[in-house]
Parts: sequence; C-alpha cells; structure tokens
Amino acid sequence: AQSVTQLDSQVPVFEEAPVELRCNYSSSVSVYLFWYVQYPNQGLQLLLKYLSGSTLVKGINGFEAEFNKSQTSFHLRKPSVHISDTAEYFCAVSANNQGGKLIFGQGTELSVKP
Amino acid sequence: KAGVTQTPRYLIKTRGQQVTLSCSPISGHRSVSWYQQTPGQGLQFLFEYFSETQRNKGNFPGRFSGRQFSNSRSEMNVSTLELGDSALYLCASSPGGTVSGELFFGEGSRLTVL
Repeated sequence: AQSVTQLDSQVPVFEEAPVELRCNYSSSVSVYLFWYVQYPNQGLQLLLKYLSGSTLVKGINGFEAEFNKSQTSFHLRKPSVHISDTAEYFCAVSANNQGGKLIFGQGTELSVKP
Repeated sequence: KAGVTQTPRYLIKTRGQQVTLSCSPISGHRSVSWYQQTPGQGLQFLFEYFSETQRNKGNFPGRFSGRQFSNSRSEMNVSTLELGDSALYLCASSPGGTVSGELFFGEGSRLTVL
C-alpha cells in the first residue's frame, strides 16, 4: 500500500519569495508522483508529474519538483510566488496499473501575502 | 474541448435519503474516477470505472455505488445518507491507460446532509 505525507498544512509566504512545499511518500513498489493544485470552489488541476526519467520535473505556472528516491520525497518548489498562487496543493502517488486511483496527501494551504 | 462536467453542483439532502450524482467526462476519455473530499479525511478514492466496468475500488461501505454507461458518462449513488456523507464529490476522467495520474477533474458536487 502507498501513503503520502505533506509535512506542512499551511505555508504563509510573501509575494516574490521562494517557496517549498514538502511531500514524503511510502510505498513497497515503484510509484508515480504528482502535484495537483485546487483553487477555491474548483476541482483539482495537475501541476506536474513524475513517471520516470529525469528526477527534476518542471510543471505549469513556474513550479518544479524533484524526485528523491533515497529520501522518498517529492518536494514542490517555486523560486518566486505570486498572489495568484494562493491555493491548496496536493501531493499524490499512484502505483503501476492503478489507473485512476491516486492516494493523496492531506494538502498544503499556500497563502501568498502582498 | 469541453472539460469534465458534474451535476448537480450543490444539493441538500436529509439523513436516510439517497442521492445520485452525474459526471460527463472529457470526450474520448474512457476512465472515470470518483473521489470524496472532506476537511477531516481529505481526498479519498471511491472507485474507478473503465469501459463500463469497475476497475478499482476504495474503502467505502456498500452504500456508495457507481456505474458507467456506454458513452463513458458515470453516475454515483449514495443510499441511506448519513451526516458524515456531507462532502465535495469530485469526478475525474482520463484516457484510460493503466498508467494514469493525469486526471482531469470536474468542479465537484457539494453534498450537504442535514
């Protein structure tokens, strides 16, 4: 079975500052890793995904994440945040052949202040 | 291309009633997954349908059921509603391969049980 832990429930940050949202996972098999974003009153949108290959993954809106197998982490980073990045961010894991079944972390609420 | 459409967006029911939620996936997508989102439990996988067959199932009681039609549209049903069923129910579609993760989410159906 897989599990995901997002280490911070809330992250306040000032506009134009860098941010890192932390995610650790647990799995006995190889996994695929994802970050999704949810804006208020909306569904989830995929930011980026790691399936294989390069461990540094670039996504939309200037976000990137690095897969670290030895530390079982998949932290999300952005060098300079904007007010519009205020949202809830979810890390998720899927094992091979699991199709549409994702295991999500509890979410991190990113609050960008002017 | 139209996105994932969920209806109704909001609904209020009383304990003991039943509810049916509908999801129209993106055209050409054959997989539909359902998730329950609550403040306490976060995002939890309910089930996934692919080509009218349930492919994956989460750990929810039998009161939660679903189905998929030949045009890939899906419905989920919750019978004998309990207060704890109040949640945002999210539907997601994907092309349907076994390696997915890039799920396209609808905006959800917010169910309130009184």
